[in-house]
Amino acid sequence: GESVGLHLPTLSVQEGDNSIINCAYSNSASDYFIWYKQESGKGPQFIIDIRSNMDKRQGQRVTVLLNKTVKHLSLQIAATQPGDSAVYFCAEWGQNFVFGPGTRLSVLP
Amino acid sequence: EPEVTQTPSHQVTQMGQEVILRCVPISNHLYFYWYRQILGQKVEFLVSFYNNEISEKSEIFDDQFSVERPDGSNFTLKIRSTKLEDSAMYFCASSGQRYNEQFFGPGTRLTVL
Repeated sequence: GESVGLHLPTLSVQEGDNSIINCAYSNSASDYFIWYKQESGKGPQFIIDIRSNMDKRQGQRVTVLLNKTVKHLSLQIAATQPGDSAVYFCAEWGQNFVFGPGTRLSVLP
Repeated sequence: EPEVTQTPSHQVTQMGQEVILRCVPISNHLYFYWYRQILGQKVEFLVSFYNNEISEKSEIFDDQFSVERPDGSNFTLKIRSTKLEDSAMYFCASSGQRYNEQFFGPGTRLTVL
């Protein structure tokens, strides 16, 4: 059904292109960050994490970049596929987990 | 592949009633969490649990909430007297290390009437 409340920003990309999803976090003392993927009707799925002593971490087709100076986190997905369509959100750990509102990624054929 | 399971998938209750949401974490995990997601809103952290005690909890996790690991496999969230605003998806998660790579269950949709 339709979601009410939060209106998510949407990123539309062509299949095969790279996607970049951004997140601004709030707590300069946060030392651990995670990107999650959430498909409709499902629980969040861990994608990749990064600790504050790093500025880049790569996984399979995904890269997370951390810029502590401006409190910014990004998720790069290479060669985006239809199965990547979902809501992506970041989470930061300071005193507890704080989640971002998310970005809806829509992959166009 | 091991997974976190949650029961029931949907719970409907009357305001003021107690509910218990159940989770079976991944068997060799030591850290357990509850989150909630109000429809259309972002995920909110409720509580983390390790070594049979609460590690951290958020402001949402007030005296109406409690968690328990009654045996070696289950992890439960109890809401003593439900309110309308408790209606949400409740997700359980577990991890092998503290906060590292949490695996989420499919969630329980709680509807308070």
